Amino acid sequence: AQSVTQLDSQVPVFEEAPVELRCNYSSSVSVYLFWYVQYPNQGLQLLLKYLSGSTLVKGINGFEAEFNKSQTSFHLRKPSVHISDTAEYFCALQSNTGGFKTIFGAGTRLFVKA
Amino acid sequence: DTAVSQTPKYLVTQMGNDKSIKCEQNLGHDTMYWYKQDSKKFLKIMFSYNNKELIINETVPNRFSPKSPDKAHLNLHINSLELGDSAVYFCASSLTRQGHEQYFGPGTRLTVT
Repeated sequence: AQSVTQLDSQVPVFEEAPVELRCNYSSSVSVYLFWYVQYPNQGLQLLLKYLSGSTLVKGINGFEAEFNKSQTSFHLRKPSVHISDTAEYFCALQSNTGGFKTIFGAGTRLFVKA
Repeated sequence: DTAVSQTPKYLVTQMGNDKSIKCEQNLGHDTMYWYKQDSKKFLKIMFSYNNKELIINETVPNRFSPKSPDKAHLNLHINSLELGDSAVYFCASSLTRQGHEQYFGPGTRLTVT
């Protein structure tokens, strides 16, 4: 069975500090990996995705993530956060098997303090 | 223009009632989804349709019945509502059934009393 584990349920950080949100996955087959962001009372929005190729992927709003196959991780990073980055962040995976069903992690709440 | 829209945004109803949530996308996508997000923010897929054909049907009580009259619309009908059905329901769409980039609606908060 496939699964996604987001290691931190909440991450408080000061404005302009760097942040890393951690994501590990479990799968016996090759996967596609995603990070989505959910602002309060809104739907999810895709931040970035890894499908193949370069393991460092850049997304919107200055976020990037690195796919590490040996450690089965896909951590999200931003060098300097803003108050407006306060939101819930979801790591997700898909595979070619199972009809491309998207499996989401439990989410990490990023809280940026002034 | 709203890409994926859902109505209603809020739905408060009593146990045992039947209710529907509607979803429409104007992106020209082939695939649409229903997700349920519980009170702990956990998000789980319920159904997926590709060009009006059901392609993903998770272990969901058969009180939940999706209907796709055309590829731009996916509605969710729920019979005999229970307290445990209280959640936020999200509709989403993607260009193809691979779903590598899904566009989510704003959600419908269902409260069953």
